[in-house]
Amino acid sequence: NAGVTQTPKFQVLKTGQSMTLQCAQDMNHEYMSWYRQDPGMGLRLIHYSVGAGITDQGEVPNGYNVSRSTTEDFPLRLLSAAPSQTSVYFCASRQGLSPLHFGNGTRLTVT
Amino acid sequence: AQSVTQPDIHITVSEGASLELRCNYSYGATPYLFWYVQSPGQGLQLLLKYFSGDTLVQGIKGFEAEFKRSQSSFNLRKPSVHWSDAAEYFCAALGGGYQKVTFGTGTKLQVIP
Repeated sequence: NAGVTQTPKFQVLKTGQSMTLQCAQDMNHEYMSWYRQDPGMGLRLIHYSVGAGITDQGEVPNGYNVSRSTTEDFPLRLLSAAPSQTSVYFCASRQGLSPLHFGNGTRLTVT
Repeated sequence: AQSVTQPDIHITVSEGASLELRCNYSYGATPYLFWYVQSPGQGLQLLLKYFSGDTLVQGIKGFEAEFKRSQSSFNLRKPSVHWSDAAEYFCAALGGGYQKVTFGTGTKLQVIP
């Protein structure tokens, strides 16, 4: 049982490039979410989804796009990378009121 | 606005000493509450959760937390800290609508011999 799988683990982008961070879960969880973690700021919610075809914005959605075509996958797209998007990104999922299950994170550097 | 506050950015304790990490929440109704731990370079691991009932909850690794409605607090405690407890600790809440989980800014714990 893999849980929540994020790829890649590390990524370096140049300003203006686009990319997709992948997230997949095999627990049949309805709820999936993306957070970014920055020093001293904790985890901030970017986007979340309560089921296939349903997404909504979190606290810091600007510059990011998501879609949820299947229950298992919830990719996060950076449309035009900026240095301010340098961060560690975590995908998490849960079912109902259960605690979040986290992936191992993607460390992104934008130069 | 719904929020979770961890007032202490950094705490240093001696190995074997007791530990208390503070967490306060601001929600219209009592949210579901969680404590997570993150070791350097790792993901987040759930320590314990509070949904309802007994206000003292036990978690893994010898941690416990006490929910106090009157103080809007959910403080994490451990009677005797081990060097392996050095990590960053996050308090989190699942509130109204049961959709968004909000995290505090974290407390970094340093354990000295």
